[in-house]
Amino acid sequence: AQSVTQPDIHITVSEGASLELRCNYSYGATPYLFWYVQSPGQGLQLLLKYFSGDTLVQGIKGFEAEFKRSQSSFNLRKPSVHWSDAAEYFCAVGSLSSNDYKLSFGAGTTVTVRA
Amino acid sequence: KAGVTQTPRYLIKTRGQQVTLSCSPISGHRSVSWYQQTPGQGLQFLFEYFSETQRNKGNFPGRFSGRQFSNSRSEMNVSTLELGDSALYLCASSLSPTDTQYFGPGTRLTVL
Repeated sequence: AQSVTQPDIHITVSEGASLELRCNYSYGATPYLFWYVQSPGQGLQLLLKYFSGDTLVQGIKGFEAEFKRSQSSFNLRKPSVHWSDAAEYFCAVGSLSSNDYKLSFGAGTTVTVRA
Repeated sequence: KAGVTQTPRYLIKTRGQQVTLSCSPISGHRSVSWYQQTPGQGLQFLFEYFSETQRNKGNFPGRFSGRQFSNSRSEMNVSTLELGDSALYLCASSLSPTDTQYFGPGTRLTVL
């Protein structure tokens, strides 16, 4: 069965500094990979996704992520964070097994941005 | 295009009652998935509907049920509410079961 690990529960970063959120997955084949962001009391907003092709994908709000097959990772990065980036971030893996598709989520990483 | 809408946004119920939550998918999307989100368990998959048929179900008791209508709108029902059912219930829609899921704002259910 597939699993998703986000090793960092909470990250604090200064405004203007760079941000990297880690995501590791366990799945036999190449999965569909996603990053979502959730602001307090809100639903999940899709930041970016990877299905195939270029392993560096660009998303909304200046975020990018890189798929590294050898490390089973899909880390999210942003060069310069803004106070509005404070939120909870979820990595998700879509996997297909016996014609059933399942989207599995990591536990999430909460990002705090300090002035 | 309008996004996924969920009604109501907030609900307060007491133990033993039942509740129905509604989800309207993005226009053209035929697949609807439901998730329960709690601080302790995170995001857990409840069930998924496609073309009015339940395709997948998560590991939840039979008190949790759902359905999908011909216009792709979906409802989920929880009977005999327990305190532990307090959560944010999220609905996501996609063109098909293997396509990208787009989430609604959620329904915050509080069981007293």
